[in-house]
Amino acid sequence: AQSVTQPDIHITVSEGASLELRCNYSYGATPYLFWYVQSPGQGLQLLLKYFSGDTLVQGIKGFEAEFKRSQSSFNLRKPSVHWSDAAEYFCAVGPRGGSYIPTFGRGTSLIVHP
Amino acid sequence: EAGVAQSPRYKIIEKRQSVAFWCNPISGHATLYWYQQILGQGPKLLIQFQNNGVVDDSQLPKDRFSAERLKGVDSTLKIQPAKLEDSAVYLCASSSNPGGQGSPLHFGNGTRLTVT
Repeated sequence: AQSVTQPDIHITVSEGASLELRCNYSYGATPYLFWYVQSPGQGLQLLLKYFSGDTLVQGIKGFEAEFKRSQSSFNLRKPSVHWSDAAEYFCAVGPRGGSYIPTFGRGTSLIVHP
Repeated sequence: EAGVAQSPRYKIIEKRQSVAFWCNPISGHATLYWYQQILGQGPKLLIQFQNNGVVDDSQLPKDRFSAERLKGVDSTLKIQPAKLEDSAVYLCASSSNPGGQGSPLHFGNGTRLTVT
């Protein structure tokens, strides 16, 4: 069964600092990979996705993520964090073929200090 | 385009009562999902529809939960009777690809259910 691991429950950074949120997955073949962001009281919004090709993908709001097949990882990065980035971040995987049921990690809560 | 609409936004009920949630997906989206998000956890799939047919409901507690998607558009999720552990945010999502393969999900703002 596929699984998604986000090892960090909380991450605290200072405004202007760089950010990396970790995501590892377990699946037989490379799945579709996604990062979503959830602000309080809101639904999830897609930040970026990886389907194939270039392993460094760019997303909205200045985020990027790098797919590393050897490490089964898809870490999210941002060079300079803004206070408005404080939110919950979810990594998700979707299988290639068969019943398409995206599976989500438990999320990482980002706290931004001024 | 209009997003995924969900109602109500909040609901408080007592245990053993019943409750229903409504979802209107993005126009033209064939695939619809209901997820349960318990506080501090990621969303967990309850049921997936393709048009008005069920694709997967293996994680739906069928003794108390039911869902339907009549005419392949709107969907309702019902809980009867509710238990304390059903307190969660219920998220509806839709995607455009038939079968959803590789398609990002578009989420509504969710319904926060509190069972007392």
